[in-house]
Amino acid sequence: AQSVAQPEDQVNVAEGNPLTVKCTYSVSGNPYLFWYVQYPNRGLQFLLKYITGDNLVKGSYGFEAEFNKSQTSFHLKKPSALVSDSALYFCAVKSAGNMLTFGGGTRLMVKP
Amino acid sequence: DVKVTQSSRYLVKRTGEKVFLECVQDMDHENMFWYRQDPGLGLRLIYFSYDVKMKEKGDIPEGYSVSREKKERFSLILESASTNQTSMYLCASNPTGGYGYTFGSGTRLTVV
Repeated sequence: AQSVAQPEDQVNVAEGNPLTVKCTYSVSGNPYLFWYVQYPNRGLQFLLKYITGDNLVKGSYGFEAEFNKSQTSFHLKKPSALVSDSALYFCAVKSAGNMLTFGGGTRLMVKP
Repeated sequence: DVKVTQSSRYLVKRTGEKVFLECVQDMDHENMFWYRQDPGLGLRLIYFSYDVKMKEKGDIPEGYSVSREKKERFSLILESASTNQTSMYLCASNPTGGYGYTFGSGTRLTVV
């Protein structure tokens, strides 16, 4: 079965510093991977996806993610964090049919 | 602007009430999903539907049912609400063969 793991419940970073939110996956076959962001009391918003091609994927709001097949990872990154990036981030992998399987989420706190 | 609309942002119901959560999408997507989100548990799939009048159980269907009479509308029904169904409910949709989901804004349900 396809699965993703987000090993950190929370990541703290100072504004202006680079940020990384970690995700590892377990799939049979080629992985289709996604990152979503959730602001308080809202639904999830799509950030970026990896289907095939370049290992570095660029997405919305200056975020990017690096696909690493040997380490089965798909970490979310941003060169310079903003306070407004504080939110809950979910990694997901395409599983059976048209479904996504989600990680447990990582809360990102960016402090001024 | 494509949308998934959930009819209520916040809902308070009494134990034992029958509760309807409505979700409408305007993208002509075949697939629709209901998740619940709880702190520490991530997103858990309740039910999904891949066509009108078709439904499949997800990971936690107990205490819930669904209805899909029209392609654009997917309803989640709590037959007899209980306090342990207090949660954030998220609806999502995607086209067959598509990647990723479009989410609604969520309904925060409190059962008292």
